[in-house]
Amino acid sequence: EPEVTQTPSHQVTQMGQEVILRCVPISNHLYFYWYRQILGQKVEFLVSFYNNEISEKSEIFDDQFSVERPDGSNFTLKIRSTKLEDSAMYFCASSGTTTNEKLFFGSGTQLSVL
Amino acid sequence: EDQVTQSPEALRLQEGESSSLNCSYTVSGLRGLFWYRQDPGKGPEFLFTLYSAGEEKEKERLKATLTKKESFLHITAPKPEDSATYLCAVQSQGGATNKLIFGTGTLLAVQP
Repeated sequence: EPEVTQTPSHQVTQMGQEVILRCVPISNHLYFYWYRQILGQKVEFLVSFYNNEISEKSEIFDDQFSVERPDGSNFTLKIRSTKLEDSAMYFCASSGTTTNEKLFFGSGTQLSVL
Repeated sequence: EDQVTQSPEALRLQEGESSSLNCSYTVSGLRGLFWYRQDPGKGPEFLFTLYSAGEEKEKERLKATLTKKESFLHITAPKPEDSATYLCAVQSQGGATNKLIFGTGTLLAVQP
């Protein structure tokens, strides 16, 4: 079965540093998403991306965050200047083009900001 | 604002002891209600999608049902391998994409 791949699985960074989280969505999918899950809390929507632009974003997704699809296969989340509260598991997801479609999630990147 | 509430937060069952998990939702037009399973340190894994009240879906020991206000995930004769966090999520008709809004989940532990 096709799957969403995320790298790295773990990322440790110092506060104030920039990090880039990488994802390879399922090849024929056109919608891409980032979610995060702080330890013990719910999975929270950050942003959705379609046709090379942001379709929706949450209040969490402020100017410190950006997303990019640099080529035909990768989808990245950049945090410009990390804060302690950015420590979380970040999940990439993708879905097809029809409505009601399920999202396929990757295994996540555990980001620890020290 | 779209909202999903799951109960109980945690549930401990003996192997073979059937039970149900609840998901209550408020949404500005339901496009779909989704159940996912999440194992520790992993991403959510899709189980079911329900679209309209009265609909039911089954997979092995799991059965999901939907009303206009809530969904239930029934677990029949669970096994230890069913231990996981079960997440409920909704898609709103007001959304531009297939974005999901999740509840906090129910942590299920099945003891042998």
